Order: sequence, then C-alpha cells, then structure tokens
Amino acid sequence: DVKVTQSSRYLVKRTGEKVFLECVQDMDHENMFWYRQDPGLGLRLIYFSYDVKMKEKGDIPEGYSVSREKKERFSLILESASTNQTSMYLCASISIRGPTTNEKLFFGSGTQLSVL
Amino acid sequence: DAKTTQPTSMDCAEGRAANLPCNHSTISGNEYVYWYRQIHSQGPQYIIHGLKNNETNEMASLIITEDRKSSTLILPHATLRDTAVYYCIVNSGNTPLVFGKGTRLSVIA
Repeated sequence: DVKVTQSSRYLVKRTGEKVFLECVQDMDHENMFWYRQDPGLGLRLIYFSYDVKMKEKGDIPEGYSVSREKKERFSLILESASTNQTSMYLCASISIRGPTTNEKLFFGSGTQLSVL
Repeated sequence: DAKTTQPTSMDCAEGRAANLPCNHSTISGNEYVYWYRQIHSQGPQYIIHGLKNNETNEMASLIITEDRKSSTLILPHATLRDTAVYYCIVNSGNTPLVFGKGTRLSVIA
C-alpha cells in the first residue's frame, strides 16, 4: 500500500516563525495536495502540485507557500506563522487522475500545528 | 463549494447495516461519486467510487440511483471500528477533491 509520511505528528511554533511541514510519498505519484482541517469547517485545500516544480493555489492559499523540488516530496511553508494557522494539516497524494482512472487519494496521518 | 448534501450525523447498531445517504442533484455526466471516511485523529481513507452502476468491494457497497441524483453507501455489518466521518464527493477526476462536512456515523454496541 502507498505510504504518505508527514514529518511531525505534533508541532508547536511561535507567532512569526517560519514553519516547514514536510510530506513524502513512496509510490511515485504525480499529484500531491495540502489540506487543512478545522472543527466545523471540514477539509480545505491550500495548495496542490501536478508535477515537480509545479504548484497550483487551492481555496485558501493566503499565508502559505509550497515547494516541490522532487517528485516524492511536497513541502508546505508558513512564511510567518500566525495563531489563525493553528490547525490539523493533511498531505495527500494520487497517481495521474482523469475521468477513466480508478486511482485513490492517499492521506498522511496529519500534523497538528499549534501557533502560540 | 461541496456539491453534495449529507446528514450531519447518524447512529447504527453494531452488526446492523449502516446506510449513509448522499444527495448530488447537480452531478454532471462525467462526474464520479466517491466515498471516503475519516476515523478520529487519522487522515481520510478511500472507501469506494462509482459512475453509474452499483459497486461493491471488501469494505462497502455503493448504490447510485438511475438518475444519478443521489447515492447510498452501505456498510453491511457495521462494527465499532466503523465509527467515523463519512464524506461523499462528486468529481470528474480532473480537479482536486473537495471535501464537505460529511456524516458522522456512530456505531453503538
């Protein structure tokens, strides 16, 4: 089975710090995604990437950036962490998708980030 | 915006079938119906998906109405480990999946 690994399960940072959340997948998937999940709001898409060095904004990209230098790794960067970025962050990956594919989206276990 | 409507929560007795409904009245002809679930403190997990025909796998069955405007996920013999939030998503495969708030299923002993 596909393994999507997020570097930290819990993370505590201070306001204004630069924060890196790392995600690695081991199945050579082209597409990778970053979501955040907050109580009552469900999962919201921050950024995604269809290939190395490519990135696309999701629904809530403000305050975040991403990096995809290698196919297996997709990093989420909080340039200057703020308290409203306290959340559960979930990384996901999938092989090439399309209307006739049967691929599944695989998620990591999540990183609970607290910004104090 | 999510294109599906699901009940906020449901209960099911252990060992009974859990039937989770989903309305997707604006579904397009090229959009699939996907179901994922999220057990507490874990990332979402794929369950099943379908286009027109009913589908079954080792986890669940998916029943899609003939007009495709609604579907039902069936867990045939629910266990306590099936307690989770279940997400119904419609998607053509060309854009990222959009997760709504899902249905919180509680399986009761």
